[in-house]
Amino acid sequence: GAGVSQSPSNKVTEKGKDVELRCDPISGHTALYWYRQSLGQGLEFLIYFQGNSAPDKSGLPSDRFSAERTGGSVSTLTIQRTQQEDSAVYLCASRFTSGPEETQYFGPGTRLLVL
Amino acid sequence: AQSVAQPEDQVNVAEGNPLTVKCTYSVSGNPYLFWYVQYPNRGLQFLLKYITGDNLVKGSYGFEAEFNKSQTSFHLKKPSALVSDSALYFCAVVPGLSGYSTLTFGKGTMLLVSP
Repeated sequence: GAGVSQSPSNKVTEKGKDVELRCDPISGHTALYWYRQSLGQGLEFLIYFQGNSAPDKSGLPSDRFSAERTGGSVSTLTIQRTQQEDSAVYLCASRFTSGPEETQYFGPGTRLLVL
Repeated sequence: AQSVAQPEDQVNVAEGNPLTVKCTYSVSGNPYLFWYVQYPNRGLQFLLKYITGDNLVKGSYGFEAEFNKSQTSFHLKKPSALVSDSALYFCAVVPGLSGYSTLTFGKGTMLLVSP
């Protein structure tokens, strides 16, 4: 089947606007992760879903960031009142279960530029 | 809390020569270790992982990694580099058997293979 897909692939927005990023995990994968990749910063964990619940949202940088997952499948990451420092690549990953030995499979990412 | 160090921002190697990308980790208990590769404008692609068993793990594209518990290292190696191996490489760790699911990534090492 298809891999993890993300949309849009690129997003340019103005400071202060809200944006929604979408992730479609691999079918049947129960665990879903969001990461942020900034230049020179590596991968920063944002939030983890098991089914529709988020047991770990410790990485969300501020209350402007939120995420939800519905039907145990699609997830959306919302950034409200975007700031220039939000510019980054947002990566989504999924795995079959939340078992730590399971491999995470990544989507191609959404490149967000806040002007 | 767990952490990963990739001490080299960049590794340069000539095509046909062996390559090593270094990774050291800090984690409570037994680690589960992963290597991912990221090609330009792409998401992360899984290369290999160590969960248990043989310390030498073989993965995709001729890559291998050796788990060394005493040195808390998991260096990525390849006997003969190709120009097409040029990419950004990430090491990641999660504490095994902990119930904790989220991977912690290093900052990445850029591998440049010259013709």
